[in-house]
Amino acid sequence: QMHLQESGPGLVKPSETLSLTCTVSGGSISSSDYYWGWIRQPPGKGLEWIGSIYYRGFTYYSPSLNSRVTISVDTSKSQFSLKVTSVTAADTAVYYCVRLGRTYYYFDSWGQGTLVTVSS
Amino acid sequence: QSALTQPASVSGSPGQSISISCTGTNSDVGNYNLVSWYQQHPGIAPKLIIYDGNKRPSGVSNRFSGSKSGKTASLTISGLQAEDEADYFCCSYAGSSTYVFGTGTKVTVV
Repeated sequence: QMHLQESGPGLVKPSETLSLTCTVSGGSISSSDYYWGWIRQPPGKGLEWIGSIYYRGFTYYSPSLNSRVTISVDTSKSQFSLKVTSVTAADTAVYYCVRLGRTYYYFDSWGQGTLVTVSS
Repeated sequence: QSALTQPASVSGSPGQSISISCTGTNSDVGNYNLVSWYQQHPGIAPKLIIYDGNKRPSGVSNRFSGSKSGKTASLTISGLQAEDEADYFCCSYAGSSTYVFGTGTKVTVV
């Protein structure tokens, strides 16, 4: 059973960069069967797909966040990461790391989520 | 890429059936049979309950079913139970390895 766990600061100042890491256990992050991604949910609101990455480094981003988001992978640590630059209060959300398939199109494994608050 | 449209809330009595709609465009729901549905209880990560429009993962109750017509996908919950009270989100593949979620629906069992 694959397990995903988010980690990172819970508080970020406006205009700074939000950085989160997802550690994958119980399976290989280098599996050719999966992509890895990030989804966020502002308090009391809906889900938003941020982007996805393949273990070889191919990335796909939401058009609405593309200019501020970078997702990277470190297979040696079994981790993938998210960076969001120039954050504002609108980036306050629970951030989930997820697994999706290379040949299937849904999110079948989720981390527990981590709340990131943007505030001075 | 705009969010898919769902009703904000749907309610029903125990034992009843309810349906939740999810309306998109010809760039997402209308172009792919790749809609998934997620159930989310308060404070917990979402759980996949339907994928590829109408398929259930192992362990998900057969009271949950999915369908699609044109640009609108639907989730039906039959034999409504108290434990079904939760938020539900649809999600569609939108091409080029991108995804779009629905606005979410709160289901209340009255």
